[in-house]
Amino acid sequence: DQQVKQNSPSLSVQEGRISILNCDYTNSMFDYFLWYKKYPAEGPTFLISISSIKDKNEDGRFTVFLNKSAKHLSLHIVPSQPGDSAVYFCAASDSGTYKYIFGTGTRLKVLA
Amino acid sequence: DVKVTQSSRYLVKRTGEKVFLECVQDMDHENMFWYRQDPGLGLRLIYFSYDVKMKEKGDIPEGYSVSREKKERFSLILESASTNQTSMYLCAVLATVNTEAFFGQGTRLTVV
Repeated sequence: DQQVKQNSPSLSVQEGRISILNCDYTNSMFDYFLWYKKYPAEGPTFLISISSIKDKNEDGRFTVFLNKSAKHLSLHIVPSQPGDSAVYFCAASDSGTYKYIFGTGTRLKVLA
Repeated sequence: DVKVTQSSRYLVKRTGEKVFLECVQDMDHENMFWYRQDPGLGLRLIYFSYDVKMKEKGDIPEGYSVSREKKERFSLILESASTNQTSMYLCAVLATVNTEAFFGQGTRLTVV
């Protein structure tokens, strides 16, 4: 049973426009959420996180939104740049464990 | 930030061989993880360790074992490699709950 789902395997966006990546989860115990970016043949790098006590967290061009009632989070990238082209993973955990559960990833392609 | 180093970027092994994947961190963090990444399946947790000589199974431990004799080093062992273990293997380190995990650069293992 996939507890963290990214239903869009891929997304193409024009340079300068907004990229919106979505993630859904099923476990109501999750209270910490993260987004990672991964280039081919490299390890994932941390982008941004959000605690369940917040509904928004912003860091430069990246903003994460959390809707607890819908069990949904999204990552907004504005403006999108060609260097943002990568696979993006969302992850979730609950404070009672150290296990981070990852989604299946969304491949973002930013077109110049 | 913690630096996580995996011993090999690329490995090719034969079916039935015993394979060791090594992961070293440059800090003193207790929590270390092994994931594998496969297309369409995201990152799946194989094993994790929360202290020296302490380990717990993740979601897909079959065919793998681990060793943590020193705090900075966490090894993943494929007892008898099989072709379905061809994958990208990723080691991660976590300082404490509700923080980001840091990943190594990954090991692309091919079993022939």
